[in-house]
Amino acid sequence: GAGVSQSPSNKVTEKGKDVELRCDPISGHTALYWYRQSLGQGLEFLIYFQGNSAPDKSGLPSDRFSAERTGGSVSTLTIQRTQQEDSAVYLCASRIRQGGDNEQFFGPGTRLTVL
Amino acid sequence: AQSVTQPDIHITVSEGASLELRCNYSYGATPYLFWYVQSPGQGLQLLLKYFSGDTLVQGIKGFEAEFKRSQSSFNLRKPSVHWSDAAEYFCAVGKIQGAQKLVFGQGTRLTINP
Repeated sequence: GAGVSQSPSNKVTEKGKDVELRCDPISGHTALYWYRQSLGQGLEFLIYFQGNSAPDKSGLPSDRFSAERTGGSVSTLTIQRTQQEDSAVYLCASRIRQGGDNEQFFGPGTRLTVL
Repeated sequence: AQSVTQPDIHITVSEGASLELRCNYSYGATPYLFWYVQSPGQGLQLLLKYFSGDTLVQGIKGFEAEFKRSQSSFNLRKPSVHWSDAAEYFCAVGKIQGAQKLVFGQGTRLTINP
């Protein structure tokens, strides 16, 4: 079956512009995660959605970052007023449900470059 | 706080040689442990996981890992590496219950000499 997909695969933007990154999770997966992979910080958790519950935003680095998940499926990560330190690969993952012996499946990522 | 340490940033082995990648974790509860592999330009692929039970777990591509609670370690092993194993390997820890917000190690880059 189809895995997690992300778009675009690459995004180049100018400092100060807003960007939107999209994630399509595996069908039927109720949990969705965003992570960021950067040279300086490694892989770090950003935000977590579980069903219709309020998202866990504890990993978002600043209020310029936000995310939503519409209809319990597709998610969009938005970065406003991008800065050069936002350059990274943004990975999305989905999981069939919260808790229990089940793992996250990762998408290929979106490489964001802020000039 | 939770943390994962992968002491080796870069390892080079010859094709056919054995491999061991080290992972140590700090976690306040029973951990859920993972090894992921990332090839250039690709996302993360799960190699194996430890949830409970037998502390020696088998994964895909001939990899195995052993959970040692007394040493807070979850080292990854393979008896004979192939050129296609060249990639970056990440150890991660998460909660068993609730949200599985993974904490990753810094990764180990594996190079294979022909």
